[in-house]
Amino acid sequence: DSGVTQTPKHLITATGQRVTLRCSPRSGDLSVYWYQQSLDQGLQFLIQYYNGEERAKGNILERFSAQQFPDLHSELNLSSLELGDSALYFCASSGTPDYEQYFGPGTRLTVT
Amino acid sequence: ELKVEQNPLFLSMQEGKNYTIYCNYSTTSDRLYWYRQDPGKSLESLFVLLSNGAVKQEGRLMASLDTKARLSTLHITAAVHDLSATYFCAVDWLSGGGADGLTFGKGTHLIIQP
Repeated sequence: DSGVTQTPKHLITATGQRVTLRCSPRSGDLSVYWYQQSLDQGLQFLIQYYNGEERAKGNILERFSAQQFPDLHSELNLSSLELGDSALYFCASSGTPDYEQYFGPGTRLTVT
Repeated sequence: ELKVEQNPLFLSMQEGKNYTIYCNYSTTSDRLYWYRQDPGKSLESLFVLLSNGAVKQEGRLMASLDTKARLSTLHITAAVHDLSATYFCAVDWLSGGGADGLTFGKGTHLIIQP
């Protein structure tokens, strides 16, 4: 158990809908990262937040957005969902100066 | 654009044998990560390599980093079935003072047969 929690574990929704994925980092970690894993694209970095501020953006679509709240939990919002958005979405957290990223169990999103 | 290439992508080997997985990356980075993923599960951190020449060992796995060659290796010694999994290497997406977004290789799917 990495100490990173994600909810929900599974999510099934229809095209065009909007969903919110939630992540709680390890206690004391200020950085939260979101990744997408799919068969087509592999593991892709989406976005990073550090202590409430956006720090780095990766291959995140404009239909996707994220935020980190004062209690350090983070949410990833996915809108206008398409079939191709079906994937495993992982959240990871890390604490300075420890560079290691600890991954949560993931949310499996299925868009039908 | 940072690229991370692993090879081989698929590896079937017998128990007791030794083998090496290679990870090449395209731009300067001093931090390289190895993760293990079991089917349907999350990523488990194996090693974090932070400097040129770094070598780390845990059980039958040993990882090394050559930043000048932009190459890391994951060596498996006397493989056992429990090591069957997909292994990913990853490099920081941005250089900087803290951990940044990681760029992952495609993964090496390792099957160890009795």
